Amino acid sequence: KQEVTQIPAALSVPEGENLVLNCSFTDSAIYNLQWFRQDPGKGLTSLLLIQSSQREQTSGRLNASLDKSSGRSTLYIAASQPGDSATYLCAVTGGGNKLTFGTGTQLKVEL
Amino acid sequence: EAGVAQSPRYKIIEKRQSVAFWCNPISGHATLYWYQQILGQGPKLLIQFQNNGVVDDSQLPKDRFSAERLKGVDSTLKIQPAKLEDSAVYLCASSPDSGLAGGFQETQYFGPGTRLLVL
Repeated sequence: KQEVTQIPAALSVPEGENLVLNCSFTDSAIYNLQWFRQDPGKGLTSLLLIQSSQREQTSGRLNASLDKSSGRSTLYIAASQPGDSATYLCAVTGGGNKLTFGTGTQLKVEL
Repeated sequence: EAGVAQSPRYKIIEKRQSVAFWCNPISGHATLYWYQQILGQGPKLLIQFQNNGVVDDSQLPKDRFSAERLKGVDSTLKIQPAKLEDSAVYLCASSPDSGLAGGFQETQYFGPGTRLLVL
């Protein structure tokens, strides 16, 4: 059974700081890994999707890496802003497009 | 393009009562998912439909939860009777296809969710 773990559970940083969120998974037989953002009272928004054959993906200030063999991914956020405050979820896709989510990292970026 | 619609947005009920949630996926999306997200946890898949057939309902508590997608478009999720531990956000998502061919899997698009509180 796939298990996804995210560290840290919560993080508070001052504006402008670079930060790294971590995700690990137990079964390396995945199709892809996604990072989602969840704002209070809203659904999930997909930020980055890394296919199993890829090593990283970038979008603006976000960079996600994937090391499938070791079961790890990181989400790097450069020059954090208060608008980045949200919960960030990592999820891996197995057979049948089934997503297994981590428990999330709650990020707060302070002025 | 309209996103995934869900209603109601919030619901408060007493334990042992019944409740139903509705989801309208993105037009043309064949696959529909219902997730349960308990506070402080990641979403957990309850049931996955492809068109109007069930693909995966292994984590659906079938003694109290039921779901249907009769015409292969919108879907309802029902809880009867509700328990305190059912308090959660229920998320609906859709994707164009289940990706059964393997390889590149489709992104799932999520609705805003229904927040349920059972007292």
